[in-house]
Amino acid sequence: AQKVTQAQTEISVVEKEDVTLDCVYETRDTTYYLFWYKQPPSGELVFLIRRNSFDEQNEISGRYSWNFQKSTSSFNFTITASQVVDSAVYFCALSDPPSQFYFGSGTKLNVKP
Amino acid sequence: ETGVTQTPRHLVMGMTNKKSLKCEQHLGHNAMYWYKQSAKKPLELMFVYSLEERVENNSVPSRFSPECPNSSHLFLHLHTLQPEDSALYLCASSQDLEGNDGEQFFGPGTRLTVL
Repeated sequence: AQKVTQAQTEISVVEKEDVTLDCVYETRDTTYYLFWYKQPPSGELVFLIRRNSFDEQNEISGRYSWNFQKSTSSFNFTITASQVVDSAVYFCALSDPPSQFYFGSGTKLNVKP
Repeated sequence: ETGVTQTPRHLVMGMTNKKSLKCEQHLGHNAMYWYKQSAKKPLELMFVYSLEERVENNSVPSRFSPECPNSSHLFLHLHTLQPEDSALYLCASSQDLEGNDGEQFFGPGTRLTVL
């Protein structure tokens, strides 16, 4: 069975703080993909990153960085110097091709000025 | 219009009503999806269509009936719903299924309230 766990239901930080959102996944497949999506109050999920199971290189994109560790089945997301506009619900997801997509329950991030 | 659009954005219906949700993608994708997002629960995949054929039906009650007339349009027909069906219904599309690395593009959702 596939499963994605985001243990942090809600996180509050003050602007400019760094924050890490945790994601732990379970799968028996050797080929899979991991994703992070952002859902602002408007409701639309916005794609942030995709990682395949064979690529464990960490990635940095501006203030965003992702740490993928197969040994611990984790795919954590860090926002550096958070801003108020980062406030949203963030979802981690696991894709087992071709058609199944499993989302975590989401982490609500509140960034206060 | 670009991306994935959904109409209506908000819908209130009684349990005896029949309504339909519409999704349209302008990305040239071949696969489309319906998700249900309830409060404090993970997104639930409801239906998957590839090249207008249904490929997944995750034990969804028959009061939800999908329709995919072409690769750009996806409908979710609703009838005799229950209050617990109130949720945000999200549509998504992706390029393909087979060999798909999974990136899905989401619409803004329809907020459904069943009275």
